Amino acid sequence: QSVLTQPPSASGTPGQRVTISCSGSYSNIGSNSVNWYQQLPGTAPKLLIYSDNQRPSGVPDRFSGSKSGTSASLAISGLQSEDEADFYCASWDDSLNGHWVFGGGTKLTVL
Amino acid sequence: QVRLVQSGAEVKKPGASVKVACKAPSHTFSSYGITWVRQAPGQGLEWMGWISANNANTNYAQNLRGRVTMTTDTSTTTAYMELRSLRSDDTAVYYCARVASDAFDFWGQGTLVTVSA
Repeated sequence: QSVLTQPPSASGTPGQRVTISCSGSYSNIGSNSVNWYQQLPGTAPKLLIYSDNQRPSGVPDRFSGSKSGTSASLAISGLQSEDEADFYCASWDDSLNGHWVFGGGTKLTVL
Repeated sequence: QVRLVQSGAEVKKPGASVKVACKAPSHTFSSYGITWVRQAPGQGLEWMGWISANNANTNYAQNLRGRVTMTTDTSTTTAYMELRSLRSDDTAVYYCARVASDAFDFWGQGTLVTVSA
């Protein structure tokens, strides 16, 4: 059971906008920033969004992040077939001397 | 781009230890931390711990304390993760990643560790 809660799956057709939610608590999302990682099949995860809504260099602006209270969301607009991947949210958790926590991951299918 | 290069796949028997290496670029090594994350087959990501490459401070996941040790060698700009008393449920791909701006910004390619009798 992951500390951060994500839907196990999401889907959309090319060109659509999809959102993936990430729910936590005061000790993690409520007090610290959220990062999102994209894991394409058979590859290592890649940083997609950091500090709630910042994109690293090279990440298309089709990807955006937001946070409100103890929940965060990743939005993907103009969905493309190559976006099909697993997406994970992560945040620092202040409990138990501090540690990082991940969501369980959301598998995005482009129909 | 920052490329982290990990050591190769390992097969270990239950009760044994494994040590995975993560080679980082030399010019930035001491300025960042290195974290380790593992992924069991078909499962999600699990944070294992973190080490500062600057002062070797560590922070380990509670469920692994006592079995895991993370170290760095600044002379070779390499980070290491040793996991002891291996069990079958330690079978996973182990990733190292650089910690910057409170995020894991660059990742190694992963190292498959298989624990099997």
